[in-house]
Amino acid sequence: GNSVTQMEGPVTLSEEAFLTINCTYTATGYPSLFWYVQYPGEGLQLLLKATKADDKGSNKGFEATYRKETTSFHLEKGSVQVSDSAVYFCALSWGGGADGLTFGKGTHLIIQP
Amino acid sequence: NAGVTQTPKFQVLKTGQSMTLQCAQDMNHNSMYWYRQDPGMGLRLIYYSASEGTTDKGEVPNGYNVSRLNKREFSLRLESAAPSQTSVYFCASSEVWGKETQYFGPGTRLLVL
Repeated sequence: GNSVTQMEGPVTLSEEAFLTINCTYTATGYPSLFWYVQYPGEGLQLLLKATKADDKGSNKGFEATYRKETTSFHLEKGSVQVSDSAVYFCALSWGGGADGLTFGKGTHLIIQP
Repeated sequence: NAGVTQTPKFQVLKTGQSMTLQCAQDMNHNSMYWYRQDPGMGLRLIYYSASEGTTDKGEVPNGYNVSRLNKREFSLRLESAAPSQTSVYFCASSEVWGKETQYFGPGTRLLVL
């Protein structure tokens, strides 16, 4: 079946540090890949996405590249801010059925001033 | 444009009681979803409706039923609540079924005593 594995936190960084959150996946078919972010007390919201191999998604200084050869979609940001503190979810979707919608367990990111 | 709305925001139930969680979207989306979020488990799909008039089981459907009332509304019913159903429930929608971005509601926090 499909699965998403992401590093579990919490991940604690200082402001302006470089961020990488690893995400790898297993999927049949050719899924779209997503990063969602959840701020405290809120629902998830899309951060970025990529729909095919070698696509790069980017938003708010975050980037992730769809790597089919390594089945990865790592999230990066060059300089994090306190406001980036949140839980980040990697996810895949390919529409083949219920197991075509799969989320990782989430990575809690804490940025200290 | 409210997006995805959920009611109630918070509910306490006793074991054996029943309740219905309501979800509505105003984006004219075809597909809707119910997830539960538990610590360390990420999001798990309970049921989904790929289009109006259809519903299908997700990863964890036991103890739940759903109704796609119309294109806008998708409700989740707990017939006889159990403490294991204590969780945060999220409704989401997407334009179509498949590789699309999902838009999430703010969640319902449910406590079953």
